[in-house]
Amino acid sequence: GAGVSQSPSNKVTEKGKDVELRCDPISGHTALYWYRQSLGQGLEFLIYFQGNSAPDKSGLPSDRFSAERTGGSVSTLTIQRTQQEDSAVYLCASSDPYPLAVRRTDTQYFGPGTRLTVL
Amino acid sequence: LAKTTQPISMDSYEGQEVNITCSHNNIATNDYITWYQQFPSQGPRFIIQGYKTKVTNEVASLFIPADRKSSTLSLPRVSLSDTAVYYCLVGDFNQGGKLIFGQGTELSVKP
Repeated sequence: GAGVSQSPSNKVTEKGKDVELRCDPISGHTALYWYRQSLGQGLEFLIYFQGNSAPDKSGLPSDRFSAERTGGSVSTLTIQRTQQEDSAVYLCASSDPYPLAVRRTDTQYFGPGTRLTVL
Repeated sequence: LAKTTQPISMDSYEGQEVNITCSHNNIATNDYITWYQQFPSQGPRFIIQGYKTKVTNEVASLFIPADRKSSTLSLPRVSLSDTAVYYCLVGDFNQGGKLIFGQGTELSVKP
């Protein structure tokens, strides 16, 4: 079946402009995550959705970053007034959480990412 | 979420078995041990997960001693295509939850 898709694959923007990044999770996955990865670095958690709610926004680096999810499916990450330090690969992942009675941890399926370059 | 420590890089040759050890001294009772693999320009991909003893799948084996303070990912007979960054994660991710990635181990497989 189809995996997680993200668009655009590449985005070049000028400092100060707003950008929107889109994530289409695997159909039926209720959990959705945004991470970012700067060049040569590990992944940094940004925000987690369960359905349309975001119980964990602790990773958003500033109030210029926001995200929403509608219909329990597509999510959009918006960065306002972009700065050069926002340049990174933004990765989206989705999972289908196991019932609590099933003692396994969820597997997250990652998309290919959006490479954002702020000039 | 337990902190993990793993080697920054490892080199190997095609056909060899590679073992990557991860230490997690503060692992909690409900924590699982999960390994992800990331190729250049791609998102991470789940490899294997375990709680204790040994787990094996078509890709790798995961060895976890009784005290669970460390774990070893074993890749049998690596090929050039196994060149990637391997991340060890420890946590109770049941019912969803963020993954905390460390620096990972950059494995380079040479011909």
